[in-house]
Amino acid sequence: NAGVTQTPKFQVLKTGQSMTLQCAQDMNHNSMYWYRQDPGMGLRLIYYSASEGTTDKGEVPNGYNVSRLNKREFSLRLESAAPSQTSVYFCASSNSGINNEQFFGPGTRLTVL
Amino acid sequence: GIQVEQSPPDLILQEGANSTLRCNFSDSVNNLQWFHQNPWGQLINLFYIPSGTKQNGRLSATTVATERYSLLYISSSQTTDSGVYFCAVVNNNDMRFGAGTRLTVKP
Repeated sequence: NAGVTQTPKFQVLKTGQSMTLQCAQDMNHNSMYWYRQDPGMGLRLIYYSASEGTTDKGEVPNGYNVSRLNKREFSLRLESAAPSQTSVYFCASSNSGINNEQFFGPGTRLTVL
Repeated sequence: GIQVEQSPPDLILQEGANSTLRCNFSDSVNNLQWFHQNPWGQLINLFYIPSGTKQNGRLSATTVATERYSLLYISSSQTTDSGVYFCAVVNNNDMRFGAGTRLTVKP
């Protein structure tokens, strides 16, 4: 069991470029999440998907879009990257709903120049 | 949204010492988790503990939901315990993290 995997591990973008961060889980979980972590801070929820076919905004959704491709995969897209989106992005999953224990991937470190 | 405060913000210990980390929250919660973020940035699940007490080896945690706080105890600390400890809570379908306690254990 790989748990939660994320690609890429590192990425550098120029302002205005777009990219998609990929996340997959092999724990047969229903719910998946995207967070960002800025230096010296805790994580903040961007979007989550309680179940396949649903997505909801979290605390900081502006500038991002998500797609729940299937039960295993949940992607995060930056349409026009900005320096303020420089951060470490974590994907997580839980069995069923945000009230259950969440398990995190290794993170993607994104720098926007 | 719910406020989550962790204390102390920084803690330096000598190997073998014990410590208590605190997490206060401003509203009722449906979920509370403790994580350890190691120096490589990986988030490791320590406890899922919306209420009650749990123990896992040298670590234990207690959540008193009615009084809106949780405590993480680390006994006989080791250098590998170094890193940042986060408390995260769920209220109204929203998960919020505290700012963390940075622990440094010196040999």
